[in-house]
Amino acid sequence: GAVVSQHPSRVICKSGTSVKIECRSLDFQATTMFWYRQFPKQSLMLMATSNEGSKATYEQGVEKDKFLINHASLTLSTLTVTSAHPEDSSFYICSARRGGYDNEQFFGPGTRLTVL
Amino acid sequence: EDKVVQSPLSLVVHEGDTVTLNCSYEVTNFRSLLWYKQEKKAPTFLFMLTSSGIEKKSGRLSSILDKKELFSILNITATQTGDSAVYLCAGSGGSYIPTFGRGTSLIVHP
Repeated sequence: GAVVSQHPSRVICKSGTSVKIECRSLDFQATTMFWYRQFPKQSLMLMATSNEGSKATYEQGVEKDKFLINHASLTLSTLTVTSAHPEDSSFYICSARRGGYDNEQFFGPGTRLTVL
Repeated sequence: EDKVVQSPLSLVVHEGDTVTLNCSYEVTNFRSLLWYKQEKKAPTFLFMLTSSGIEKKSGRLSSILDKKELFSILNITATQTGDSAVYLCAGSGGSYIPTFGRGTSLIVHP
């Protein structure tokens, strides 16, 4: 099956610092990658959709200058949380979708971000 | 705005019980309904349903879609403690970007 990895799996940082999270599709080319945030006991909330080689499309209420997304290749997307604050602490999950009309998404294992 | 509602939000059963999880949806240009199982980490894919009335089955899990009434159910028979997880339902429309429900938290006691 298709495998998506995320790195790091867990990160603790100080308030005001920036954190980069990587999402890689290991055995397929992902034309589209999605970034989700999940708070405890809540569902997955889509933050942005990123297509390789173009700017990400952000969902309403998500600050694009705070959550920088780069999808530089067909196997790698990065999410950078800039000037992180404690309220940004959450579980961040990426998913990747192969090209074409196959709309099954493959999820990464997630990154637990804690901002002190 | 697309909407997916799951019920119940939580469920506690004993091993061997059968459970039914519900998912209703309002999705523009509906294409498919997806079920995922989420344990401690990211969701793992269970089923994708696109046609009404056709049951999909995988071991003790099965699911069916009703496109007229806009809902789907996920059945788990002879539950085991390893079935304890959050089960997420998502509706996918014309953009192929799923809208997730809040999930049903299932706890199976030995």
